[in-house]
Amino acid sequence: KQEVTQIPAALSVPEGENLVLNCSFTDSAIYNLQWFRQDPGKGLTSLLLIQSSQREQTSGRLNASLDKSSGRSTLYIAASQPGDSATYLCAVVMDTGRRALTFGSGTRLQVQP
Amino acid sequence: GAGVSQSPSNKVTEKGKDVELRCDPISGHTALYWYRQSLGQGLEFLIYFQGNSAPDKSGLPSDRFSAERTGGSVSTLTIQRTQQEDSAVYLCASSWAPGNSPLHFGNGTRLTVT
Repeated sequence: KQEVTQIPAALSVPEGENLVLNCSFTDSAIYNLQWFRQDPGKGLTSLLLIQSSQREQTSGRLNASLDKSSGRSTLYIAASQPGDSATYLCAVVMDTGRRALTFGSGTRLQVQP
Repeated sequence: GAGVSQSPSNKVTEKGKDVELRCDPISGHTALYWYRQSLGQGLEFLIYFQGNSAPDKSGLPSDRFSAERTGGSVSTLTIQRTQQEDSAVYLCASSWAPGNSPLHFGNGTRLTVT
């Protein structure tokens, strides 16, 4: 059974700092990996999707990397802003034909102004 | 283009009553997912639809839970004889290609069973 772990569970940084969020998964036979953010009381917003054949994806100040063989992904946020404060979740789809996403429990990020 | 719409946004019900939760996906999205998010817990997969069929119902926690999708669009999640442990936020998501394109989530239905 696939398990997805995110460390740290919570993180507080001053505005302007670069930061890295970590995601690990136990079964490397994944189809793709997605990063989401969730604001309080809201649904999830997709940030980046990395296919299993890719090493990284970039969108603005966000960069996500994938090391499938070691079961790790990182989300790099450059020049953090208070508006980046949210919970960040990663999720994987297995390479078995099953299309359900397995989510980590998230990292709650607070960017202090 | 409207996003994924869920209704009601909040539902309070008495233990033992039945509830129906509705999801309107983004037009043209063939894949539709239901997830449950309990306080302090991660997202728990419930069921996935491709068109009107549900190839994966493995996450439904008991036979009190059922879901259907009609016209390849609207989906309804029904919980019969609700229990207090059913209290959670129920999230719906849709995408173009199942498992291969970004998921778009609704804001969820917060269900409270008293």
